[in-house]
Amino acid sequence: GAVVSQHPSWVICKSGTSVKIECRSLDFQATTMFWYRQFPKQSLMLMATSNEGSKATYEQGVEKDKFLINHASLTLSTLTVTSAHPEDSSFYICSARDMATGYSNQPQHFGDGTRLSIL
Amino acid sequence: QKEVEQNSGPLSVPEGAIASLNCTYSDRGSQSFFWYRQYSGKSPELIMFIYSNGDKEDGRFTAQLNKASQYVSLLIRDSQPSDSATYLCAVNSYSPSGGYQKVTFGTGTKLQVIP
Repeated sequence: GAVVSQHPSWVICKSGTSVKIECRSLDFQATTMFWYRQFPKQSLMLMATSNEGSKATYEQGVEKDKFLINHASLTLSTLTVTSAHPEDSSFYICSARDMATGYSNQPQHFGDGTRLSIL
Repeated sequence: QKEVEQNSGPLSVPEGAIASLNCTYSDRGSQSFFWYRQYSGKSPELIMFIYSNGDKEDGRFTAQLNKASQYVSLLIRDSQPSDSATYLCAVNSYSPSGGYQKVTFGTGTKLQVIP
């Protein structure tokens, strides 16, 4: 149980392109999903918390207009990197918590990540 | 002070030995604690979680929590080369300003199990 699917797994595109990444909870409902970014040999950095039916909460220093998050249903959140540039190249990972128990201290389950390379 | 601190390593142990990974956290109000394993180039996968003081065992893994000392550890018995990875400690705490539960990850400890 608690499977999170992330798509695509690898994207290579030209500078200026917008890229959409999907994150789906396959066997549970997730009112909250999380988006992380990880540069090589560095730790996970939380970018934003995605809440179903409301605006995402962005961490300090993360540009809202650059990284658009939509959480339209209890099983799907999307991250769109708008007008991507080479410095946006990174490993983007989503995670979700199963809220069925009602407890918000449940562990997060991660998708497989999306490796984004901007040329 | 970092919210969640881990020694970056690498921690090298021989195959079959016990690997001990440590983590300290700053928020006394933290309620839940998680250990994730991350192989190079892959996303983290959950190994264990612990909420109460004491030990919690699952197979070769034991998580230990001491809230008074704000310390959580992960023991791996009979370490195998396949255990070589980066281990991330994560702590769940409440963000009053944001009004939500927030998980903070440590920077991870790289474990190398030598055959």
